[in-house]
Amino acid sequence: EIVLTQSPGTLSLSPGERATLSCRASQSVSSTYLAWYQQKPGQAPRLLIYGASRRATGIPDRFSGSGSGTDFTLTISRLEPEDFAVYYCQQYGSSPLFTFGPGTKVDIK
Amino acid sequence: QVQLQESGPGLVKPSQTLSLTCTVSGGSISSGGYYWTWIRQHPGKGLEYIGYIYYSGSTYYNPSLKSRVTISVDMAKNQFSLKLSSATAADTAVYYCARDRGTLMDGYYYGMDVWGQGTTVTVSS
Repeated sequence: EIVLTQSPGTLSLSPGERATLSCRASQSVSSTYLAWYQQKPGQAPRLLIYGASRRATGIPDRFSGSGSGTDFTLTISRLEPEDFAVYYCQQYGSSPLFTFGPGTKVDIK
Repeated sequence: QVQLQESGPGLVKPSQTLSLTCTVSGGSISSGGYYWTWIRQHPGKGLEYIGYIYYSGSTYYNPSLKSRVTISVDMAKNQFSLKLSSATAADTAVYYCARDRGTLMDGYYYGMDVWGQGTTVTVSS
């Protein structure tokens, strides 16, 4: 069974800073099958990145994804006030078919 | 623009069946091409995948919930539904329905691109 681990659990940064979030899989994941979501308090998640590096429709280019195999990264180049939220990675394809990571909270320092 | 809206009882008694419906507007389930999905989030916790249904009726359920979950579709009403039997307090969560584009011809998994706002279900006597 595949397990996704996200680090750090919480990232405390200031607006304008760069955020680097990690998602590590217990076994190899196809890079075309890795997605990232953003969730703000009281809201549903929002798709940010699919295929490890492709931005979803309407997502600003300050969000970027990279990685392959077991290590994936979501980078927010310059944090805007609206970017403080929880971020989840999600894989498709390994058993179980869909798995989310536990999330990384990006909060204001 | 496709929108999803969950509905159903906010309170369910232990051992009863939790039943929720997701109404799709702005698009038709019967047009195919998407996997209609249920996800839940326990209070203060992360996201847990429950399962999906395709317009053809094919389903997938999370193995950890498979024995208790049924997802069905009503194309006439453009709705899909979740039933979770033998509910316990551990099923207390916010339940989301979502549209999953699945994997396309280019080999990419396109992710869950439309979500409902979520509905809170509490299992308690």
